[in-house]
Amino acid sequence: NAGVTQTPKFRVLKTGQSMTLLCAQDMNHEYMYWYRQDPGMGLRLIHYSVGEGTTAKGEVPDGYNVSRLKKQNFLLGLESAAPSQTSVYFCASSIPPTSGGYTGELFFGEGSRLTVL
Amino acid sequence: RKEVEQDPGPFNVPEGATVAFNCTYSNSASQSFFWYRQDCRKEPKLLMSVYSSGNEDGRFTAQLNRASQYISLLIRDSKLSDSATYLCVVKWYSSASKIIFGSGTRLSIRP
Repeated sequence: NAGVTQTPKFRVLKTGQSMTLLCAQDMNHEYMYWYRQDPGMGLRLIHYSVGEGTTAKGEVPDGYNVSRLKKQNFLLGLESAAPSQTSVYFCASSIPPTSGGYTGELFFGEGSRLTVL
Repeated sequence: RKEVEQDPGPFNVPEGATVAFNCTYSNSASQSFFWYRQDCRKEPKLLMSVYSSGNEDGRFTAQLNRASQYISLLIRDSKLSDSATYLCVVKWYSSASKIIFGSGTRLSIRP
C-alpha cells in the first residue's frame, strides 16, 4: 500500500537553482496539498488542488509553483531556490467533505527534506 | 494571535501517568477538530477526530469545548510508545484550504 509517495526524500540545492518535488497518491483522492514545516511552527500550506487541472494558493505561496496535470500527481516547483526555502516539505491528500459532514482525513507523504545553501 | 495555539511542552511524564494538553482556537466558526500524532522526522498521522460530545479511543480521550474554544487530549496509562509530538488541527467544512495546524505539543514518556 503506497498511499502518498514523495520524491526525492532529500535534496541539497545552491541558491538560485531550480527543482521539482513530486507527490503521487494511489487512493484516487481529489484534494492534494503541499505544506512546509519549520522548527517551532505548524505546517503551513503552500498550494493546494481540489482536482485535476486546478490549483490554488495557500498561506505561503511565494517562490513556489505547482501543477496538477494528472489526478494522482501534484508537483511543487522552486524556480530559484533561496535559503529561506530550507524546510521539510509534506504532501497530503484527502477526499472532499461529504454531504454527511465527514471532512476528510489528511494522508501525508513521508516528507522531503530540502536544504538550500 | 495565532489561530490555533498549543503549549509546545515538552511534557515529560513517567510511564503509566495520565497526561492532558489543550489546544485553543480563535475562530468560532471553526467546524472540525482533530488530533494528529507526529513522530520525530516522520509525517503526521491522524490520531483521532474530536466530536462535540467528546470521544474515546482506548487510552485516548478527546473533548471539545466550543464555548471556551478549546479542544483537549487526555492520555491515560501512558506508554513509552506515546512519546511524540501531538498536533491540534482545526478545519473549516466549507473550504478545502482552511486547515490550520497548531505547532504541536511534545510529549516524552520516561521509563
